[in-house]
Amino acid sequence: GDSVTQMEGPVTLSEEAFLTINCTYTATGYPSLFWYVQYPGEGLQLLLKATKADDKGSNKGFEATYRKETTSFHLEKGSVQVSDSAVYFCALSRNMFSGGYNKLIFGAGTRLAVHP
Amino acid sequence: DAGITQSPRYKITETGRQVTLMCHQTWSHSYMFWYRQDLGHGLRLIYYSAAADITDKGEVPDGYVVSRSKTENFPLTLESATRSQTSVYFCASRKGGDGGEAFFGQGTRLTVV
Repeated sequence: GDSVTQMEGPVTLSEEAFLTINCTYTATGYPSLFWYVQYPGEGLQLLLKATKADDKGSNKGFEATYRKETTSFHLEKGSVQVSDSAVYFCALSRNMFSGGYNKLIFGAGTRLAVHP
Repeated sequence: DAGITQSPRYKITETGRQVTLMCHQTWSHSYMFWYRQDLGHGLRLIYYSAAADITDKGEVPDGYVVSRSKTENFPLTLESATRSQTSVYFCASRKGGDGGEAFFGQGTRLTVV
């Protein structure tokens, strides 16, 4: 079945450091890929997405490129801030026509802690 | 208020009791989902619904029941709560299509003692 694998955390960085959180997926066909972020005590919110191969999603300085050849969707940011401290989830979705029924399948999440 | 709301936010219940978690969305989104979040497991799908009166099991459905008589509501019932069901539960809704954004509620923290 469909699955998402993320690098284990926690990831601890100093402010202004470069961030990479790895994400790989297994799925039939051509899923859409997402990064969601969860701040303490809150629900998840969409950070960025890509719906086809070679698309780059970007938001708030974060970027991720849909690489079908490596089945990856790694999250990057050039200079992290303390306010970026959160849990980041990679996810995929396949539509009804490919049997995915629009379900979002999540990875285990990666906790990021950024220190001043 | 527009959005997706869950109630209650916090719940403590005893083993063996029935408990229902509520979820309400105001957008008339077709798809709704229930997830549980546990340390080390991320979010696991319990049940989902493609429309009113259409529901299906997710990854971890045992011990849970759902219904969807109206598009905007998607309650989750634990028929006989067990300690292993202690978790944070999130409801989400989605308009449709695999590229669409899902919107999450604030979560319900359930403790079974």
